[in-house]
Amino acid sequence: DQQVKQNSPSLSVQEGRISILNCDYTNSMFDYFLWYKKYPAEGPTFLISISSIKDKNEDGRFTVFLNKSAKHLSLHIVPSQPGDSAVYFCAASIQGAQKLVFGQGTRLTINP
Amino acid sequence: NAGVTQTPKFRVLKTGQSMTLLCAQDMNHEYMYWYRQDPGMGLRLIHYSVGEGTTAKGEVPDGYNVSRLKKQNFLLGLESAAPSQTSVYFCASSMGTEAFFGQGTRLTVV
Repeated sequence: DQQVKQNSPSLSVQEGRISILNCDYTNSMFDYFLWYKKYPAEGPTFLISISSIKDKNEDGRFTVFLNKSAKHLSLHIVPSQPGDSAVYFCAASIQGAQKLVFGQGTRLTINP
Repeated sequence: NAGVTQTPKFRVLKTGQSMTLLCAQDMNHEYMYWYRQDPGMGLRLIHYSVGEGTTAKGEVPDGYNVSRLKKQNFLLGLESAAPSQTSVYFCASSMGTEAFFGQGTRLTVV
């Protein structure tokens, strides 16, 4: 039972364009969502998060959008840079439950 | 800043052998986690701890045991390794929001 799903295993985007990574969840109790970035041979690093009381959160080139009715969130990266090439994981939690549930990951490749 | 440190980084085990993976954090975090990463499966929670002396099962706990005798350390044990436990293992710690991860331990069971 995959509660958090990233249906695109990979995504290729040209440098300078917008990258959009998508994530769907099934558990309506989730109220906190995060995106992590992972380079090969390293651990995941926190990128950006959003609480369910918001529908958008921005941090520089990164914006996360949350659509609670559709149980969908997305990460926008604009403009995309070569250093953004990595695997991106979305994660969800129920605040107070102290557990993160992760999606399968999307490998983003930024082409020059 | 050390953050979250995992030991060892690589290990090859024979089926049936036992081993312990060590995780240490220096951020005074209450919560600690062990995840495994497998191709196409993302990160799956094995066990976690919400404080010193406490442990709880995650999504895939079978074949693993954990202990949290000190707040800064979280140990993951494999009593009798199986090829299905070949994976990359990540430890993480948190104060309740975002989690901070170690660099991972690549374990191969032959």
